Amino acid sequence: AQSVTQPDIHITVSEGASLELRCNYSYGATPYLFWYVQSPGQGLQLLLKYFSGDTLVQGIKGFEAEFKRSQSSFNLRKPSVHWSDAAEYFCAVSENTDKLIFGTGTRLQVFP
Amino acid sequence: EAGVAQSPRYKIIEKRQSVAFWCNPISGHATLYWYQQILGQGPKLLIQFQNNGVVDDSQLPKDRFSAERLKGVDSTLKIQPAKLEDSAVYLCASRILDRADTGELFFGEGSRLTVL
Repeated sequence: AQSVTQPDIHITVSEGASLELRCNYSYGATPYLFWYVQSPGQGLQLLLKYFSGDTLVQGIKGFEAEFKRSQSSFNLRKPSVHWSDAAEYFCAVSENTDKLIFGTGTRLQVFP
Repeated sequence: EAGVAQSPRYKIIEKRQSVAFWCNPISGHATLYWYQQILGQGPKLLIQFQNNGVVDDSQLPKDRFSAERLKGVDSTLKIQPAKLEDSAVYLCASRILDRADTGELFFGEGSRLTVL
């Protein structure tokens, strides 16, 4: 069965620092991979997705993620975090882009 | 373009009472999903519709939860009777599922349910 693990429940960074949020998945074939962001009281917004091709994908708000098949990972990165990036981030996996299975999320806190 | 609309945003009920949540997806989106997000967890799929047909309801607790999308547009999720463990945010999402489809699900802001 497909599953997603986000090992970090809570991460705190200073504004301007770099960020990496970890995501590991379990799936037999090459999955479809997504990162969503959820601000307080808001729905989820898609940051980026990987279906195939270039393993480094660019998303909105300056985020990028790299698919590493050998490590079953799809980590999210941003070179310089802004205070407005404080939110909860969810990694998700899908067999065919149809039904998403979400990880438990990583809450990002940004200090000025 | 209007997003996914959900109501009510907040609802507090006592256990064994009933509650209903409403979702209006983005116009033209064929697929509609209901997810349950318990505090501290990621969203979990409850039910998926394509037009007015159910595609997947394998994780819907059918003894107490029901959902419908009668005309293939808006949808209602009902819980009767509610239990304490039903306290969660209920998220509705939609997807276009045609040639313009990018695989993205568009989420509403959710309906937060508290069961006392």
